[in-house]
Amino acid sequence: NAGVTQTPKFQVLKTGQSMTLQCAQDMNHNSMYWYRQDPGMGLRLIYYSASEGTTDKGEVPNGYNVSRLNKREFSLRLESAAPSQTSVYFCASSPQGYEQYFGPGTRLTVT
Amino acid sequence: AQSVSQHNHHVILSEAASLELGCNYSYGGTVNLFWYVQYPGQHLQLLLKYFSGDPLVKGIKGFEAEFIKSKFSFNLRKPSVQWSDTAEYFCAVRRNSGYALNFGKGTSLLVTP
Repeated sequence: NAGVTQTPKFQVLKTGQSMTLQCAQDMNHNSMYWYRQDPGMGLRLIYYSASEGTTDKGEVPNGYNVSRLNKREFSLRLESAAPSQTSVYFCASSPQGYEQYFGPGTRLTVT
Repeated sequence: AQSVSQHNHHVILSEAASLELGCNYSYGGTVNLFWYVQYPGQHLQLLLKYFSGDPLVKGIKGFEAEFIKSKFSFNLRKPSVQWSDTAEYFCAVRRNSGYALNFGKGTSLLVTP
């Protein structure tokens, strides 16, 4: 039981490049989330998926897209990376209405 | 406006000192409350949670928190901290009608030997 896994752990992009962050959970949770963590800002919700087949915007969705590929996987895509997207990205999952379980994070730097 | 407020951004304590970290929220209605901890270089881990019932909840590693509904507060406490408690602590609130957590900005705790 690996919990929530994320790939890659580290990534450096140039401005304008695209990439997809992968997240998978093996706990059979319905809901999945993407957050970004910036110093002094706490965690801010980018997108979430309440259940398979649905996605909704969070607090800071601009510049991102998501795909809920199946119940296990929820990916985050940056179509044209900007320096303002330099951050640590965390994926989380939860049974509906309960606490969230977090992955180890992806540290992204955009130069 | 910040919906979840953590009053202390940086706290430095000596080992064996008592800890209290403040958390206030501004949502009305029913809420679920959480404290998460992030040790250096690691992901967030759940310390404790409140859904209903006894407003004094106990979590892992000797932490506890008290929900005071009239004050919209959910303060975290530990009677005697250890060096290994050095970490960042996040308060989070989920409205009962929603899915997502709203996090405070975090409190960085440094415990010195």
